[in-house]
Amino acid sequence: GDSVTQMEGPVTLSEEAFLTINCTYTATGYPSLFWYVQYPGEGLQLLLKATKADDKGSNKGFEATYRKETTSFHLEKGSVQVSDSAVYFCALSEPSGSEKLVFGKGTKLTVNP
Amino acid sequence: NAGVTQTPKFRILKIGQSMTLQCTQDMNHNYMYWYRQDPGMGLKLIYYSVGAGITDKGEVPNGYNVSRSTTEDFPLRLELAAPSQTSVYFCASRGGRGTYGYTFGSGTRLTVV
Repeated sequence: GDSVTQMEGPVTLSEEAFLTINCTYTATGYPSLFWYVQYPGEGLQLLLKATKADDKGSNKGFEATYRKETTSFHLEKGSVQVSDSAVYFCALSEPSGSEKLVFGKGTKLTVNP
Repeated sequence: NAGVTQTPKFRILKIGQSMTLQCTQDMNHNYMYWYRQDPGMGLKLIYYSVGAGITDKGEVPNGYNVSRSTTEDFPLRLELAAPSQTSVYFCASRGGRGTYGYTFGSGTRLTVV
């Protein structure tokens, strides 16, 4: 079945450091790919998405490119801030009757001032 | 817009008790989902619904039941609560095909003792 593998956390960075969180996927078809962010005590929020190969999703300085050849969707940000501290989830959705999301296990990011 | 509203936010149950987690959305979304989130394990799909009157099992449905009598409401019923059901539960919704990204509720933290 479909699955998503994220790099293990936690990740601790200093403010203004470069961030990469790796994400690879296994899917039978052509999924849409997502990054969700969860701030402490809150639900998940959509951060960015890509719906086809070579698409780049971007939002709030974060970027991820849908790489079909490597089945990857790595999240990057050039300069993190303390406010970026959260748990980040990579997810995929196959075009199907349910269009349900399959999540990775999440990566906790802590940014220190 | 209220989005997706979940109640209660917190609950402690004794083993063997039952309860219903409420979920309501005001976006006229057809698709609704229940996930549970366990530490370090990402989110697992419990049940989902593609429209009023239609429900189906997800990855971890045992010990739970759902109903979808209206578009707005998607309650999750726990019968005979067990410690293994201690988790954070998230309800989510999305629009029809071609729309992307779920809207999540803020979650219900359930402890079974």
